[in-house]
Amino acid sequence: DGGITQSPKYLFRKEGQNVTLSCEQNLNHDAMYWYRQDPGQGLRLIYYSQIVNDFQKGDIAEGYSVSREKKESFPLTVTSAQKNPTAFYLCASSTAPPGALYGYTFGSGTRLTVV
Amino acid sequence: QKEVEQDPGPLSVPEGAIVSLNCTYSNSAFQYFMWYRQYSRKGPELLMYTYSSGNKEDGRFTAQVDKSSKYISLFIRDSQPSDSATYLCAMTTYSGGGADGLTFGKGTHLIIQP
Repeated sequence: DGGITQSPKYLFRKEGQNVTLSCEQNLNHDAMYWYRQDPGQGLRLIYYSQIVNDFQKGDIAEGYSVSREKKESFPLTVTSAQKNPTAFYLCASSTAPPGALYGYTFGSGTRLTVV
Repeated sequence: QKEVEQDPGPLSVPEGAIVSLNCTYSNSAFQYFMWYRQYSRKGPELLMYTYSSGNKEDGRFTAQVDKSSKYISLFIRDSQPSDSATYLCAMTTYSGGGADGLTFGKGTHLIIQP
């Protein structure tokens, strides 16, 4: 079945650690996105990528980094510079704009907690 | 003023009731409108997609768009406890919203009481 796989489902980070969230899709979508979801805040865009080896900052990119070395993969690293990383992280993909007209496919999310 | 406004709820209704969920928007360039359903601790899933003003029906769900008022609605008939979820509206311009795509509302938390 085609879809987006996020792993791990739950992740715990110690203070000062960098952690990487995985996102893999087999939908042959060109565009991929990372969102952060906090209670009452809705979805906030962290980074997006329309094509391999290219990505753009979203609204809340500080403290995060990404790479897009392969079409199917868009990992997100939460660095120690992100002071409040506890949140639910969602990866999404779409056909390249204007493919976004037809919506995104989302992964099942990773819940990151600082311990 | 935020581009998309959506009441976060919670909205609690008894089973079998008709539910009305709404979003207002300020950007008249938005042309494509979607509704996503998100169960707790899951990713959102696309529920309805509309373009033109008017109604679009799919089973118990009806999406309504009023571009003149910049107002969209999702109606759920014969609501079931399994409809309990957060519903997010999303929209984009004809060009796909530029490079960053969809603009989302914050979501309405819906509870259907058995």
